Amino acid sequence: DVKVTQSSRYLVKRTGEKVFLECVQDMDHENMFWYRQDPGLGLRLIYFSYDVKMKEKGDIPEGYSVSREKKERFSLILESASTNQTSMYLCASTPGPGGYTFGSGTRLTVV
Amino acid sequence: KQEVTQIPAALSVPEGENLVLNCSFTDSAIYNLQWFRQDPGKGLTSLLLIQSSQREQTSGRLNASLDKSSGRSTLYIAASQPGDSATYLCAVRGSGGSNYKLTFGKGTLLTVNP
Repeated sequence: DVKVTQSSRYLVKRTGEKVFLECVQDMDHENMFWYRQDPGLGLRLIYFSYDVKMKEKGDIPEGYSVSREKKERFSLILESASTNQTSMYLCASTPGPGGYTFGSGTRLTVV
Repeated sequence: KQEVTQIPAALSVPEGENLVLNCSFTDSAIYNLQWFRQDPGKGLTSLLLIQSSQREQTSGRLNASLDKSSGRSTLYIAASQPGDSATYLCAVRGSGGSNYKLTFGKGTLLTVNP
């Protein structure tokens, strides 16, 4: 089975901190994604990557950046964390024509 | 722009009941449709994937159907159990230039009572 691993289940950070969320997949998938999930708003796409060093903005990229230096790893970066970035962050990958596999999520709280 | 709607938003049933969750989407030009399950505070677990050329998929007590022309999918759960309690999410993957992207419904919160 494909595994998508998010390095932290829970994170608490202070306003203004630079925050890194890490995601690793073990099945050589080309495409990787970062979503955030908020009550009442559902899942929204932040960024995605279809190859190493390639990235594209999703629906809500403001305040975020990403890095994909290796195929298996996709990092989400909050340049200066703010309280409105408190959310559940979900990483996913897909090989292309198949379905998506999601990680277990990172609950980020910014205080 | 693709929009996905799931009805009902919440459903409470007694154990053993058969039930149907509904998903509708506005743009029938889809690549595939995927049903997920999400337990509180956890990530998404894939249940069933239906390609646009398929009509249905089955896994154990779960059966998902797809009617692309009418923009509808249903998830049928047979003989429900308390362990089925979770939020069920429907997601549609677009075809053409935006075929990377999943558009999600808001989910159906299912509670199965013992």
